Amino acid sequence: NAGVTQTPKFQVLKTGQSMTLQCAQDMNHNSMYWYRQDPGMGLRLIYYSASEGTTDKGEVPNGYNVSRLNKREFSLRLESAAPSQTSVYFCASSVRATGEQYFGPGTRLTVT
Amino acid sequence: DQQVKQNSPSLSVQEGRISILNCDYTNSMFDYFLWYKKYPAEGPTFLISISSIKDKNEDGRFTVFLNKSAKHLSLHIVPSQPGDSAVYFCAAPLYSGAGSYQLTFGKGTKLSVIP
Repeated sequence: NAGVTQTPKFQVLKTGQSMTLQCAQDMNHNSMYWYRQDPGMGLRLIYYSASEGTTDKGEVPNGYNVSRLNKREFSLRLESAAPSQTSVYFCASSVRATGEQYFGPGTRLTVT
Repeated sequence: DQQVKQNSPSLSVQEGRISILNCDYTNSMFDYFLWYKKYPAEGPTFLISISSIKDKNEDGRFTVFLNKSAKHLSLHIVPSQPGDSAVYFCAAPLYSGAGSYQLTFGKGTKLSVIP
């Protein structure tokens, strides 16, 4: 039981490049989330998927897209990376929308 | 506008003493609160929660108190241990429509427990 896994752990991109952050959970959770954490800003929700087949914007969705590929997997795509997207990205999942969330180890992304 | 606020960015406590981490909220519709703990280079982990029908919830060394009239909650760690040194986040689910909720987090408080 791996919980929530994220790949890659680290990534450096040049401005304008694209990439997809992968997330998978093996806990049969319905809801999945993507957050970014910046110094002094706490965790801010980018996108979430309350259940398979649905996705919704969070607090800071601009510049990102998501895909809920199936119940296990939820990916985050940066189409044209910008330095402002330098951050640590966390994926999380939960059984139900109001319940505790389980987080992955994070992806540290640097955009130069 | 931040709906969950942790006004102390950092806190230092001697080992064995009590650590008290505070959290204020502005939305009176919040009825459930969670605390998360985060070590460097790891994802946050769930620590303890409290429902608004209670004013206290205890789990081992960790106790969360809720004061609804003051819109304030606090996490007490007794006794504090060096392994408790981490960033602590307060969070609350915010209804976002169509049966969906978003978890809104405070900015976190970095706790340092000094041996």
